[in-house]
Amino acid sequence: GIQVEQSPPDLILQEGANSTLRCNFSDSVNNLQWFHQNPWGQLINLFYIPSGTKQNGRLSATTVATERYSLLYISSSQTTDSGVYFCAVARSGTYKYIFGTGTRLKVLA
Amino acid sequence: DSGVTQTPKHLITATGQRVTLRCSPRSGDLSVYWYQQSLDQGLQFLIQYYNGEERAKGNILERFSAQQFPDLHSELNLSSLELGDSALYFCASSSGVNMNTEAFFGQGTRLTVV
Repeated sequence: GIQVEQSPPDLILQEGANSTLRCNFSDSVNNLQWFHQNPWGQLINLFYIPSGTKQNGRLSATTVATERYSLLYISSSQTTDSGVYFCAVARSGTYKYIFGTGTRLKVLA
Repeated sequence: DSGVTQTPKHLITATGQRVTLRCSPRSGDLSVYWYQQSLDQGLQFLIQYYNGEERAKGNILERFSAQQFPDLHSELNLSSLELGDSALYFCASSSGVNMNTEAFFGQGTRLTVV
């Protein structure tokens, strides 16, 4: 099956700093999403981004499907950005997401 | 708010017991997916229903079962509970029959088995 690796596994930032999270996947996919799991456990949709670039406020994401990776950029980080960031991928015609192991982010005030 | 509603938010029960988790998908979504998130296994796919029919099974134990009703809400039944079943259980919904559209996750049900 597809392997999904996320890096770095852990990240500590000062408020206001920028960061880049990476998701590598081992096979071609036609579906990719980024999620933020907040400290209360909720999984929040950030981006649906099988390919291309999207931006939403301080967050943006880029997926290069042909090279099998996706990047999530967080600018001017805030303490509320803390939590775990997951990418999830799916192959065409399949019925499930494969989740990466996540990047645990802590933003310090 | 994702539009996917899960109840209850928290559940504490004893080993050997049976519980039912409920999920209402986003309006218009026909697919419902169940995932389990435990500390040692990460997020694992359990089962998927599309318009009332089971479409795919993942790592779902025989003690677990699910169904999707005509109004499209879904229930996940967990029986003969063990300590290791303690986890966050998520429901997700999407419009398509498979993972070719965006999926939206509910807030999860945190199950603690004591």
